[in-house]
Amino acid sequence: KAGVTQTPRYLIKTRGQQVTLSCSPISGHRSVSWYQQTPGQGLQFLFEYFSETQRNKGNFPGRFSGRQFSNSRSEMNVSTLELGDSALYLCASSLAAGNRGDTQYFGPGTRLTVL
Amino acid sequence: AQKVTQAQTEISVVEKEDVTLDCVYETRDTTYYLFWYKQPPSGELVFLIRRNSFDEQNEISGRYSWNFQKSTSSFNFTITASQVVDSAVYFCALTPLYSTLTFGKGTMLLVSP
Repeated sequence: KAGVTQTPRYLIKTRGQQVTLSCSPISGHRSVSWYQQTPGQGLQFLFEYFSETQRNKGNFPGRFSGRQFSNSRSEMNVSTLELGDSALYLCASSLAAGNRGDTQYFGPGTRLTVL
Repeated sequence: AQKVTQAQTEISVVEKEDVTLDCVYETRDTTYYLFWYKQPPSGELVFLIRRNSFDEQNEISGRYSWNFQKSTSSFNFTITASQVVDSAVYFCALTPLYSTLTFGKGTMLLVSP
């Protein structure tokens, strides 16, 4: 079974631009969660989608948004990029809703650099 | 709110040494799940183990073993006879039921030949 895939793997953007990251979960998994990883803050939860509905949202500004499609694929969007948005963005999928303790399986991440 | 503390920022060992990675957690919930993930230099988080709060049995998987003690709120991870391929950052994580996954800051393990 294929794992979680994320595209693109690397992105370089400039301040003020917007970016869209994509995530395809493991086949059959209906929940997708997004995390931001930085050296200073570590791994921080962004949001979770289950059956096209946002179930939980972390403490991030409204510039960070996401959505999930009927095939469970998910995208996250960051608008008006700031230098501090430079990070590794990780997507994870699970069979059921992640907040029920189900194991989350992670993709390889998208490394975003904001110049 | 829940919290995970991995006090060891970095550990260096020589191949074949045993090493224990510590994890202490805080939660007010009685039902929760604990996880360990490995993050090699490639960046992908690799799932290692999942434990629920009602199962305190220790687990052994090859060279890996986990010691879960609710009395001390700890979920420690031991690698026996470490190998260079074990070099990675290891994360302990906690999710109470109906809450989100919270990670510790991670422990970087460096195994030298």
